[in-house]
Amino acid sequence: DGGITQSPKYLFRKEGQNVTLSCEQNLNHDAMYWYRQDPGQGLRLIYYSQIVNDFQKGDIAEGYSVSREKKESFPLTVTSAQKNPTAFYLCASSIAGGLTGELFFGEGSRLTVL
Amino acid sequence: GENVEQHPSTLSVQEGDSAVIKCTYSDSASNYFPWYKQELGKRPQLIIDIRSNVGEKKDQRIAVTLNKTAKHFSLHITETQPEDSAVYFCAASNANFGNEKLTFGTGTRLTIIP
Repeated sequence: DGGITQSPKYLFRKEGQNVTLSCEQNLNHDAMYWYRQDPGQGLRLIYYSQIVNDFQKGDIAEGYSVSREKKESFPLTVTSAQKNPTAFYLCASSIAGGLTGELFFGEGSRLTVL
Repeated sequence: GENVEQHPSTLSVQEGDSAVIKCTYSDSASNYFPWYKQELGKRPQLIIDIRSNVGEKKDQRIAVTLNKTAKHFSLHITETQPEDSAVYFCAASNANFGNEKLTFGTGTRLTIIP
């Protein structure tokens, strides 16, 4: 069953801790993306990767880091430098980097900082 | 950069009636306009998109219209059903670039009243 899998679905973190959100896809897509979703706001792009071993900052990259060591995987680390990390995080993929087309989303990870 | 405004933020309609959600964009170079539907607790999914070489596109009960001159586009849902209840996001980008240039609206929560 092809798709994107995010884990964990819910995550609680104490202030000052780094956390890593997992995103795995078996769609053979080149491009992968991380979005942040806050109430009353649209999806905002954190980081994206068009190809393995390469990634670029999106609109709100401060306090986040990513890696793309495998085509299937694009983990997001929310660092202690992120000032307001409580949010819903969505990972997505698309067929090819550099082209506009359908985004396939995961089911999201909700991070709460205590 | 692109700015997308979406209205209304919430919309309630009687089952069987029509629903209309409107978006405006600022960048005249934008030529790709997708709509995503996010049911409660589920992932966003593409439901319809339009490119600027057409003014209207239909898919069963949903349609999207585009007015390039006025820089606005709308989602129309006819004969609404309970399963249409969801948050709908519009987006805009220039298809000459990748999905990383996609700018989302703030979302409309549509509730269908049985």
